[in-house]
Amino acid sequence: AQKITQTQPGMFVQEKEAVTLDCTYDTSDQSYGLFWYKQPSSGEMIFLIYQGSYDEQNATEGRYSLNFQKARKSANLVISASQLGDSAMYFCAMRVYMEYGNKLVFGAGTILRVKS
Amino acid sequence: DAMVIQNPRYQVTQFGKPVTLSCSQTLNHNVMYWYQQKSSQAPKLLFHYYDKDFNNEADTPDNFQSRRPNTSFCFLDIRSPGLGDAAMYLCATSRPTSGRNNEQFFGPGTRLTVL
Repeated sequence: AQKITQTQPGMFVQEKEAVTLDCTYDTSDQSYGLFWYKQPSSGEMIFLIYQGSYDEQNATEGRYSLNFQKARKSANLVISASQLGDSAMYFCAMRVYMEYGNKLVFGAGTILRVKS
Repeated sequence: DAMVIQNPRYQVTQFGKPVTLSCSQTLNHNVMYWYQQKSSQAPKLLFHYYDKDFNNEADTPDNFQSRRPNTSFCFLDIRSPGLGDAAMYLCATSRPTSGRNNEQFFGPGTRLTVL
């Protein structure tokens, strides 16, 4: 069964510094996708970045980059130049293929607090 | 803007009183999902629709039902809410394809309180 592990319940980072949020995964599938979502206190889930298992390059989206190490089964999120608005819960998720549609299996999440 | 809309944003119901949460989308996606997210936990899939085909997760209680009358709308019915059903309910949509295009788009959620 697919599983996502986020070992950091909470993280602090100083404004303008970079921070890495850890994510490891377990799957026996050869083809899979990994996502990071941000959830502010208001509750909506905001897509940040996607990495496919066959993608050779690490994904980047603006200040977000994904450090994908396939052999280690890790997909860490790096946020550069942190901003106060980055304070939120961050979820790593894996796409699980189903016959119709695909579901997401989420990790427990990491709460990030950006200090001024 | 194309989006996923959930109404209401906050819902209060009484123990045992049926409640319906609604979700609509303008993305014209085939697949719609309902997730339950309890406080300080990860979202957990309850069920999903691929067009009109309903797919229930094995561990979703019978107390939870869903309807999808057309592509745009999907409803979550809780027949007899218990205190343990208090949670954020998230609706999401996606295309049924693989790769980057399979991103799930989430609505803002409905926070359910059971008194």
